[in-house]
Amino acid sequence: QVRLEQSGAEVKKPGASVKLSCKASGYSFSGNYLHWVRQVPGLGLEWMGWMNPDGGATAYAQNFQGRLTMTRDTSISTAYMELTSLTSDDTAMYYCARVGLRPDGYGYVVFDYWGQGTLVTVSS
Amino acid sequence: DVQMTQSPSSLSASVGDRVTITCQASQDINVFLNWYQQKPGEAPKVLIYDASNLQTGVPSRFSGSGSGTDFTFTISSLRPEDSGTYYCLQYDNLPYTFGQGTKLEIK
Repeated sequence: QVRLEQSGAEVKKPGASVKLSCKASGYSFSGNYLHWVRQVPGLGLEWMGWMNPDGGATAYAQNFQGRLTMTRDTSISTAYMELTSLTSDDTAMYYCARVGLRPDGYGYVVFDYWGQGTLVTVSS
Repeated sequence: DVQMTQSPSSLSASVGDRVTITCQASQDINVFLNWYQQKPGEAPKVLIYDASNLQTGVPSRFSGSGSGTDFTFTISSLRPEDSGTYYCLQYDNLPYTFGQGTKLEIK
């Protein structure tokens, strides 16, 4: 069964960086794009960017340009998301989510599986 | 960026009611829209993909329709377990953008 297992909660000081992981299992890691989405507590969802595990190509939302880096280690089927220069506005739950194949095989289902989320708290 | 205007922001309905949520895109997004349900403390779950396709394992009381800029999500007969927050997502253009969410309460 497909599973995305995320790393544990983090507490960081303003100005620090955080690197989260998302370990995939139950499918071919390199075959599906992985995205990151965050949610400020009690608020809505914000798309951050995507990574193609096959080759490592990425695309980031403009809001995070220069602060966000997505990488992967295909040998352990794990994706990483690093966010630098943290502020209190970055306090949020961070999710990884997969783009999967449609049941009929023609096209894709965006975010068919999600990780359980990692809470990042930025506080002095 | 494509702006997604979702309404209502909250609603309260009774078991058995028909419930409708709408999303309007600021530009044509074809059918590249999904609907998600999120329960407290959980990750979102996809219910409808490509505007009108029911995700595997999702009950048939959920449905979606629309194309272009106007989309509708419907629960035909509300059940207690349908409480939660519902979001639309457009993925026609980067950055992907979500609607603001609709919090559904069961009376």
